[in-house]
Amino acid sequence: VQLVESGGGLVKPGGSLTLSCAASGFTFDNAWMSWVRQAPAKGLEWVGRSKSKSDGGTTDYAAPVKGRIIISRYDSKNTLYLQMNSLTTEDTAVYYCLYHDSSGVDHWGQGTLVTVSS
Amino acid sequence: EIVMTQSPAILSVSPGERATLSCRASQSVTSNFAWYQQKPGQAPRLLIYGASTRATGLPGRFSGSGSGTEFTLTISSLQSEDFGLYYCQQYDNWPYTFGQGTKLEIK
Repeated sequence: VQLVESGGGLVKPGGSLTLSCAASGFTFDNAWMSWVRQAPAKGLEWVGRSKSKSDGGTTDYAAPVKGRIIISRYDSKNTLYLQMNSLTTEDTAVYYCLYHDSSGVDHWGQGTLVTVSS
Repeated sequence: EIVMTQSPAILSVSPGERATLSCRASQSVTSNFAWYQQKPGQAPRLLIYGASTRATGLPGRFSGSGSGTEFTLTISSLQSEDFGLYYCQQYDNWPYTFGQGTKLEIK
């Protein structure tokens, strides 16, 4: 399993950013995927998850980001996306992509840093 | 949302000694529970899932126990590489949630 996040960087408050997660080593279109973030020197926070199409293809979001983010997936490209809008300094964090395998194991990418600053 | 509370916040242990970390859930999460270790600048590393199943390659000195609302991670004989931050996590109910972490440091 390999998960490679990209798209992080510096963005101004109020701006938007889209992160990507390129997945390999497993059947992506059957996979439940998630995004988790970690603010500098802070704990871990689940951002949202994307269920496989066979399980309904729905997405769920955590309350702090609901309405400001969209998780989408392009199964034919084995890629998960996280579109973030109306960013604030509190969204500054490392964003991790996760794959939940059927045995209960979560696989993590190495993360991409998003910095929201003027 | 299920609140996960870890204790202690900081645990100081000498190499070779036993370490016991605890996590309590605000409501039952059955056995949908995991432990992670994190070192500075690295992604979290899965240690235990299903409350008691060791991740592939994890040394036998790590063990997880518990179900429902009370969980324990035991490291039987601490090695230098075991020091770091430890997080618990429930994946029984959405939103999945993490504990605030326990820092395991060298005494």
